Amino acid sequence: DAKTTQPPSMDCAEGRAANLPCNHSTISGNEYVYWYRQIHSQGPQYIIHGLKNNETNEMASLIITEDRKSSTLILPHATLRDTAVYYCIVRDSNSGYALNFGKGTSLLVTP
Amino acid sequence: GAGVSQSPSNKVTEKGKDVELRCDPISGHTALYWYRQSLGQGLEFLIYFQGNSAPDKSGLPSDRFSAERTGGSVSTLTIQRTQQEDSAVYLCASSLAPTSDIQYFGAGTRLSVL
Repeated sequence: DAKTTQPPSMDCAEGRAANLPCNHSTISGNEYVYWYRQIHSQGPQYIIHGLKNNETNEMASLIITEDRKSSTLILPHATLRDTAVYYCIVRDSNSGYALNFGKGTSLLVTP
Repeated sequence: GAGVSQSPSNKVTEKGKDVELRCDPISGHTALYWYRQSLGQGLEFLIYFQGNSAPDKSGLPSDRFSAERTGGSVSTLTIQRTQQEDSAVYLCASSLAPTSDIQYFGAGTRLSVL
């Protein structure tokens, strides 16, 4: 899998947009960008994934740069329940079975 | 079921005892994965099942750990002669297909070995 780099922690005020960056400068053409999060005392939760186009679902938006070397997960209106560790994972069909979560970004949403 | 179900949610055992952890994946998901997460650490891959077979057991930390899956559905992770270092949250995930598909996780079993 391509190596990813994320800031260790971020803060966001409740109701504001949370923009979580991820660098993946060695990403290959077939590798997708996946985002998961893990709320305290829960299992990881899939959020969104994309290849090169921007993606949006009911949880978040994913913006991937044109050169695909970085991406941003956007939570448009963060709530206290969005406080979690967010993981950016890059993988393709040759990446094997295990998800490599790395250290992620610990997002704290404050009132 | 609606999601991945794991039981028990918490298990306290004495050192040297055997424990069994259960995972009931999402209906129709052929791939099943076990991970463990020690306190403050990242997720460590243990084993992967495709149907009833386990093509990848590379993550099992010792021969005290074993897992099986019957009927292509429920899986059991067994830890024999538990040690204190086995204390962790054991997470199960399932996916429609292996490798690049999305994995859906259960809430985990918190194992404490005294």
